Amino acid sequence: SAVISQKPSRDICQRGTSLTIQCQVDSQVTMMFWYRQQPGQSLTLIATANQGSEATYESGFVIDKFPISRPNLTFSTLTVSNMSPEDSSIYLCSLGTAAYNEQFFGPGTRLTVL
Amino acid sequence: DAKTTQPTSMDCAEGRAANLPCNHSTISGNEYVYWYRQIHSQGPQYIIHGLKNNETNEMASLIITEDRKSSTLILPHATLRDTAVYYCIVRVANSGNTPLVFGKGTRLSVIA
Repeated sequence: SAVISQKPSRDICQRGTSLTIQCQVDSQVTMMFWYRQQPGQSLTLIATANQGSEATYESGFVIDKFPISRPNLTFSTLTVSNMSPEDSSIYLCSLGTAAYNEQFFGPGTRLTVL
Repeated sequence: DAKTTQPTSMDCAEGRAANLPCNHSTISGNEYVYWYRQIHSQGPQYIIHGLKNNETNEMASLIITEDRKSSTLILPHATLRDTAVYYCIVRVANSGNTPLVFGKGTRLSVIA
């Protein structure tokens, strides 16, 4: 299994500011994924972050709004830029490896934008 | 897009078996059925997966119909801690490098 930690666990931010969410994994992994979960909704994939290359974004998500870094095989960050109340969600990082059948998830970062 | 259909919500009495259905009529021959659950304020947690045979582990049992177009997750003795949203997902096995695609899931409420 894998242990994933996220910082911060929650935050309350003002409109127009940015927040960077950190995701730390206890083992080296190739692929990391970032999801958003809006209130009362299911998880939606934001992007896939492969170490050493640019992140791949899903339809409806753009790099200017959600820049992602993947400096090494155990760490990634997601920034939510120029926030608005519509960005209030839980943001989760996740990882998968070809060797495992299951995908592991961090505990999530609960973001509230006022 | 999610390839599964699940009821929006279900209730189950504590101590009884919880049977959660899932339809996946377009499942491909090389796709497995996976179940995850998300307890409030936590990340999703893997439960079980299977191809065509019934599977059982310490958490649950998975029953897949012979035509593989539907399945049922069974929690044999539901407890209050099993209250969660349960997601049924189909995907190719050992595809850990591709992300899960979540549907709406079933919100299971276990009632004392």
